[in-house]
Formats: sequence, C-alpha cells, structure tokens
Amino acid sequence: RKEVEQDPGPFNVPEGATVAFNCTYSNSASQSFFWYRQDCRKEPKLLMSVYSSGNEDGRFTAQLNRASQYISLLIRDSKLSDSATYLCVVNRGAGNKLVFGAGTILRVKS
Amino acid sequence: DAGITQSPRHKVTETGTPVTLRCHQTENHRYMYWYRQDPGHGLRLIHYSYGVKDTDKGEVSDGYSVSRSKTEDFLLTLESATSSQTSVYFCATRDGALNSPLHFGNGTRLTVT
Repeated sequence: RKEVEQDPGPFNVPEGATVAFNCTYSNSASQSFFWYRQDCRKEPKLLMSVYSSGNEDGRFTAQLNRASQYISLLIRDSKLSDSATYLCVVNRGAGNKLVFGAGTILRVKS
Repeated sequence: DAGITQSPRHKVTETGTPVTLRCHQTENHRYMYWYRQDPGHGLRLIHYSYGVKDTDKGEVSDGYSVSRSKTEDFLLTLESATSSQTSVYFCATRDGALNSPLHFGNGTRLTVT
C-alpha cells in the first residue's frame, strides 16, 4: 500500500459544479497535512493547510478524518481556472519528511 | 515563492557524466528538500536537509548525493548520470514550525541521453 494515495481521476466537471477529492494516508502518527495544486509543467503551489477542525478558504474546504486516515478537499462553484492537478501532502509520522500523493487531475469545462 | 532559485533550469547530459543541481533560498528556512517528479509517480523525496551539514535520505536516494554547507544552498549531485534519472527536479524549503508548508523552486528539467 502506498503511503499517500489519491484517485488519479481525471474528474471532468462543468463550471459551477461542486467536486470533492479524498486522500488516504497510512501512517497514523502523521501530523501535518496540506493540499497543493500544480499546473502543467509548473511547480506545486500551496492551496491550503488542513487543520484538525477543518478549514475553509473561499470556495475551498479541507477536512481531516484521523479515525479513517484521510483528508478531503471540496471545491464549490468550480471555475475553468481550477483545472489543475491537486496533490495531497502528509508528513511521515511525526517527522519532517513530507510525502506526496500522485495527484488528482481536475478538468473544469464550460 | 519564498525566494527559491534553482539552477540550471534545463540541462541535457550524457550517461555517465556527473551533474550538480543547485538550490538557493533567501528565506533562511531551516529545511530544504529535493524531489523528483515523473509521470505516474508524483513527487518523490530524494534527500532532505534539516540544517547545515545535516541531511537524510528520502525514498529514492540511490544514485544521488547532497551537500549543504550554508543555510541558503542545497546541492544535489548525480555522480554518474543514468537515463533513469531523466526527470524534473524540484527543490523546496520550509521553516522549522510543525505545520509549515513547503515552498517550491521553479524546477530543473534534466535529460540524460
């Protein structure tokens, strides 16, 4: 089993749709969780950190479920500009090695 | 982002030659990382550093070495490049806080022929 797993997609959604991605992690001691977006041939950019109580940033909501060991990202009112690959990142145990999932491709269509 | 510069941006080299990639940061971040990204694998950690002269291996460290003689510079060396090391290499930094995120450089596209 991979340390961090994501559904590769692609998720093809119309503009205005709500879409959700999950990311599962295997190490129950992990403490740091992030969502990044990556555009084609560019570096990953931080979308949001994920906090235990869940957090929201505009149209984006992130949740952490420690019991089931997954994090989620919800995007409301999808825009064409949301088309990208979404990467979840988890630290390995309590340490400073940060492990990436392989990414979920989102395509928003008009 | 976070003042991270990678050099070179692109490089083509021949099998068996040594290659050094440089990452320079201006944010005084304690931690620095080297990842490689390949289709189907996502970003995989090669090595990381938690201070000057302090480094540790990642999941794909074979064939790579690193050095960090100054806080701002983290070098990745391929002692004898192989075609399997053709990839996009990203450097990232973060400060010492528990939940601090990674900040990435623009990447280096390396082709080994």
